[in-house]
Amino acid sequence: GAGVSQTPSNKVTEKGKYVELRCDPISGHTALYWYRQSLGQGPEFLIYFQGTGAADDSGLPNDRFFAVRPEGSVSTLKIQRTERGDSAVYLCASSLTGADSDTQYFGPGTRLTVL
Amino acid sequence: QQQVKQSPQSLIVQKGGISIINCAYENTAFDYFPWYQQFPGKGPALLIAIRPDVSEKKEGRFTISFNKSAKQFSLHIMDSQPGDSATYFCAAGSYIPTFGRGTSLIVHP
Repeated sequence: GAGVSQTPSNKVTEKGKYVELRCDPISGHTALYWYRQSLGQGPEFLIYFQGTGAADDSGLPNDRFFAVRPEGSVSTLKIQRTERGDSAVYLCASSLTGADSDTQYFGPGTRLTVL
Repeated sequence: QQQVKQSPQSLIVQKGGISIINCAYENTAFDYFPWYQQFPGKGPALLIAIRPDVSEKKEGRFTISFNKSAKQFSLHIMDSQPGDSATYFCAAGSYIPTFGRGTSLIVHP
């Protein structure tokens, strides 16, 4: 079956611009996660959705970052007034139920470059 | 504040050798310890995981050793193959893992 997909695969933008990154989770997975991976680092948690609601957004670095999952499937990560420090690979993952130790399946990521 | 420390940063082994990657954690509340494998341009993929109630778990050529008292765990890759060349991340947590910084493994043929 299809895995987690993310679009676009690459996004180049200018400082101060607004960007949206999309994640299509595995069909039927209720839990969805966003991570940010900087060069030479492990993924860093941003936000976790259970269904349509954000169950944990403690990883969002500031109020320029926002994510939605209006119908409990596709999610969009939104970054306002982008800064050069936002440049990273943004990873999305989904899991079947979000239960303890439920396997997370990662997408290939969106590489964001802020010039 | 780094809650999961991983070493070495990079590792080169010969085909057929043993690759060993180590991790240490700080938070004793962590109760799930997965290892992920990541190839260039791909997202991480779960490789093997362990709970703290066992000291070792083996799946094929991959083994996790876990030392609860020392708050350390390690990944051993036996009979390493060139196809194992990738970046490996340890993690700790439960439904939201905290990742280590990764180890770039190169296996020479």
